[in-house]
Amino acid sequence: EPEVTQTPSHQVTQMGQEVILRCVPISNHLYFYWYRQILGQKVEFLVSFYNNEISEKSEIFDDQFSVERPDGSNFTLKIRSTKLEDSAMYFCASSEEGAFSFLHFGNGTRLTVT
Amino acid sequence: GQQLNQSPQSMFIQEGEDVSMNCTSSSIFNTWLWYKQEPGEGPVLLIALYKAGELTSNGRLTAQFGITRKDSFLNISASIPSDVGIYFCAGPYSGAGSYQLTFGKGTKLSVIP
Repeated sequence: EPEVTQTPSHQVTQMGQEVILRCVPISNHLYFYWYRQILGQKVEFLVSFYNNEISEKSEIFDDQFSVERPDGSNFTLKIRSTKLEDSAMYFCASSEEGAFSFLHFGNGTRLTVT
Repeated sequence: GQQLNQSPQSMFIQEGEDVSMNCTSSSIFNTWLWYKQEPGEGPVLLIALYKAGELTSNGRLTAQFGITRKDSFLNISASIPSDVGIYFCAGPYSGAGSYQLTFGKGTKLSVIP
């Protein structure tokens, strides 16, 4: 079964550094998302992306965050200047349609900011 | 904003027992989703509910969409060790054309063999 793949599985970075988290969505999917989960807390929506532009973003997704689909297969989340509170699991997801029941999540990238 | 409250926060049960967990909200949801998350993995959809009163099964799992549209429950019958994980309810944000999902904080299930 096709799956969403994320790399790296774990990223450690120093405060103030830029990080790029990478995702390869399922190939025929058109809608892409990033969610995050701070340790022990609930999964939170960050951003959705469709037709090469952001369709929606949450309050968490401030100017330090950006997303890009640089080619036909990758979908990236960049954090420009990481803060300690950015430490979390970041999940990429994709769906063929906008319907929620078709949302597939990757296994996540654990970001640790020291 | 919309919040989903799950209970219990955690459960320890014996293998073979039935499990019941629920999710409530002060807002109406038009779709309820139940996900399971195992350690080191992303959430995996278990059951999707689209209509108030709907009762849907997926193997040993049964979920219901409450009549008021403000609650849902998930039952697991005859639990087995691989049922261990965190179970999240989720629903779409009510904003028009929104693709956001709101998640509950999860119910952590531990199964004692």
